[in-house]
Amino acid sequence: GAVVSQHPSWVICKSGTSVKIECRSLDFQATTMFWYRQFPKQSLMLMATSNEGSKATYEQGVEKDKFLINHASLTLSTLTVTSAHPEDSSFYICSVMRAYEQYFGPGTRLTVT
Amino acid sequence: QKEVEQDPGPLSVPEGAIVSLNCTYSNSAFQYFMWYRQYSRKGPELLMYTYSSGNKEDGRFTAQVDKSSKYISLFIRDSQPSDSATYLCAMRDGGATNKLIFGTGTLLAVQP
Repeated sequence: GAVVSQHPSWVICKSGTSVKIECRSLDFQATTMFWYRQFPKQSLMLMATSNEGSKATYEQGVEKDKFLINHASLTLSTLTVTSAHPEDSSFYICSVMRAYEQYFGPGTRLTVT
Repeated sequence: QKEVEQDPGPLSVPEGAIVSLNCTYSNSAFQYFMWYRQYSRKGPELLMYTYSSGNKEDGRFTAQVDKSSKYISLFIRDSQPSDSATYLCAMRDGGATNKLIFGTGTLLAVQP
């Protein structure tokens, strides 16, 4: 498998502020990481694919200027939610690809007030 | 029509029962099929990974894929209260994007 961590696990921020979520691959170097969003009682929706050293690929309907992704090293990808609004409140989960399988982090719960 | 359909449940069974979870899909290009378990407020945990059609067994878990019917199943034998979670099916084609398409998940409750 693969061990993935996320930080923070839970964050509350005020509307209009930005918040950064970190995703770390702890036991191997991940060239590809994925960011998902999950609303209550719904499935995971892929937001973007993050490749180390290059620009992220965003899914249709995801605003790349609002959800900034940086994959600066083989063990760290960050997702920054800029000018957050209450509708951005969700569970954000990252994953890494290893041997054709995806392994997920524990998730970050974002609440925007 | 969604690419992947999964009954959301909830499904309640007594401890020791055999549980059957299923997904159907519409995209014939899907080749890789996975089952994840997700506890409340946690990230998904990979349970089973299957390529193409066939069966795969791992302990109390058995995954089946029938590509001709576009139907996949996960069986849990001797279910335990600790199996209570949401089970998500996921699948992808063989393309370079490695993009997973998830079902909505089935909430399972195993009653002691």
